[in-house]
Amino acid sequence: GAGVSQSPSNKVTEKGKDVELRCDPISGHTALYWYRQRLGQGLEFLIYFQGNSAPDKSGLPSDRFSAERTGESVSTLTIQRTQQEDSAVYLCASSFAGSSTEAFFGQGTRLTVV
Amino acid sequence: SQQGEEDPQALSIQEGENATMNCSYKTSINNLQWYRQNSGRGLVHLILIRSNEREKHSGRLRVTLDTSKKSSSLLITASRAADTASYFCATGIKGSGNTGKLIFGQGTTLQVKP
Repeated sequence: GAGVSQSPSNKVTEKGKDVELRCDPISGHTALYWYRQRLGQGLEFLIYFQGNSAPDKSGLPSDRFSAERTGESVSTLTIQRTQQEDSAVYLCASSFAGSSTEAFFGQGTRLTVV
Repeated sequence: SQQGEEDPQALSIQEGENATMNCSYKTSINNLQWYRQNSGRGLVHLILIRSNEREKHSGRLRVTLDTSKKSSSLLITASRAADTASYFCATGIKGSGNTGKLIFGQGTTLQVKP
């Protein structure tokens, strides 16, 4: 596709349910990032995938959060047993060569846990 | 913990004035990037400055980097109402090889009054 695509755009879920967020990066981009942004706040790093290297998971806030990436394509971020504090916009970005080049962002998934 | 800290958190100016935003960081970097965000969704890349560069220009944007002080500034000259947005600095953290993750600051909210 022409840009980074995220789905769904909005997700409302009940506390305790699991959710899965999807990111389709730009074709050919080896790096993929997930960030969380709470209302009025900065971007909180969650996880970074680079090619076939082991992902950098140092930003995942708890073991309820996990992410996978299939080769250099689609990535899914899974949040298990959602809590109200998980409510935020989850942003995905991809780049051609990690942080050496500019990152292109999707429009994000707004997650609301009720 | 997040890498960058931005100053000021909020800035309000009149159209035609210049806007200056500052960013400080903590660790060694490959580069520093500036992004813009409208309406709390996807970010757009503005400019990238490498660790061996001191100043860079792009249109009405001027970025400086002082690696000895671990700080950067973004200057927007002759501001316009359309420049109203949140601006974030992001540091490319040194990783294996020439890649690495991208860590964002908390952002500066700029309001340009017509």
